[in-house]
Amino acid sequence: EVVMTQSPGTLSLSPGERATLSCRASQSISSNLLAWYQQKPGQAPRLLIYGAANRATGIPDRFSGSGSGTDFTLTISRLEPEDFAVYFCQHYGGSRSVTFGQGTRLEIK
Amino acid sequence: QVQLVQSGAEVKKPGASVKVSCKASGYTFSNYLIHWVRQAPGQGLEWMGIINPSGGSTSYAQKFQSRVTMTSDTSTNTVYMELTSLRSEDTAVYYCARGAPGSSIYRWFDPWGQGTLVTVSS
Repeated sequence: EVVMTQSPGTLSLSPGERATLSCRASQSISSNLLAWYQQKPGQAPRLLIYGAANRATGIPDRFSGSGSGTDFTLTISRLEPEDFAVYFCQHYGGSRSVTFGQGTRLEIK
Repeated sequence: QVQLVQSGAEVKKPGASVKVSCKASGYTFSNYLIHWVRQAPGQGLEWMGIINPSGGSTSYAQKFQSRVTMTSDTSTNTVYMELTSLRSEDTAVYYCARGAPGSSIYRWFDPWGQGTLVTVSS
């Protein structure tokens, strides 16, 4: 099973700033199988990025994903107030192994 | 629009079972796999397993293998997740989520159901 480790655990930034969130896999994975989700309090997760770098339908272009192998990054170019939430990365390892990172909490500074 | 609507909150005693439903609409039900994911209070996301609504084949995470059963009813476009021998550590929000189409080279979960809170308490 691939372990996904996210950093930092909490990121404190101000609206308008740039956010960089990291996700590291315990072994090299296919970029096609890496996704990012946003979760706000009391809500279900929402798909942001799939295939490491492809924005899901309706996701603003201030969100971007990059990376390959073991290191992946979610970048939010200019933070809007509604972007403060928890972000999870996910690896789909097959029908018996789907793993999530522990999450990064993005909070208002 | 594509939507997954789950059943309401449950309170169960230790040792009991719970069955959560997830009704799909807005797409061809049999063409997409459905995943179940849970989230304990204040914690991260934990994948439980997957069901193919067409035919009902399943695959479960090893942790839940002995206690979970996922089923589907194509006549009502609904999938079910039953968890037995409940303990306090099973207190969590349980989500269903649609997987990416099998023809895609990518894998993702979208959309997600609204979640069902299952509380296990004596």
